[in-house]
Amino acid sequence: AQKVTQAQTEISVVEKEDVTLDCVYETRDTTYYLFWYKQPPSGELVFLIRRNSFDEQNEISGRYSWNFQKSTSSFNFTITASQVVDSAVYFCALSEAENNDMRFGAGTRLTVKP
Amino acid sequence: DGGITQSPKYLFRKEGQNVTLSCEQNLNHDAMYWYRQDPGQGLRLIYYSQIVNDFQKGDIAEGYSVSREKKESFPLTVTSAQKNPTAFYLCASNQGQQNSPLHFGNGTRLTVT
Repeated sequence: AQKVTQAQTEISVVEKEDVTLDCVYETRDTTYYLFWYKQPPSGELVFLIRRNSFDEQNEISGRYSWNFQKSTSSFNFTITASQVVDSAVYFCALSEAENNDMRFGAGTRLTVKP
Repeated sequence: DGGITQSPKYLFRKEGQNVTLSCEQNLNHDAMYWYRQDPGQGLRLIYYSQIVNDFQKGDIAEGYSVSREKKESFPLTVTSAQKNPTAFYLCASNQGQQNSPLHFGNGTRLTVT
């Protein structure tokens, strides 16, 4: 069975602070894909990044960066110099090669205060 | 613009009534999905369909039904058998491959009283 855990239910920071959202996953599969999505107040989830299980390189996209570590089964997401527009619920998700669905963590609600 | 359209945005029903939520996509995606979102529980998979006229149950299919008569459409019916139907429902689609990210609609908030 696959499982995604986002232990942080809510995080509140002040604008310009850095913040890391944690994601830990469980899977028996050797081939899998990890995703992060952002859900702003409008409700629609927006895809942010995908990483496959064979690629442990960290990735940076502007103020966003992702740290994938197979040894700890983690795929953490860091926002540098946070802004009010980053306020949203962020979901980590896992897709295994043999299953035709995507499983989500419970989400982390990030509030960035001005 | 291509995307997924869910309608209506808000839906109110009396207990005991069936209700159907609409989901249409013009992305030419093969696979479509229905998720339910409750506070603190993330997204839980209700049903998914990889191809027209075929669909599979997700983790919480009881009390729900779906159809996939057209590639573009994947309506979800919340039946009176669903014990706690009040929730936010999200429809999604993708190419059907494991590395394919999901594209989501804006969701339908269903309230049953």
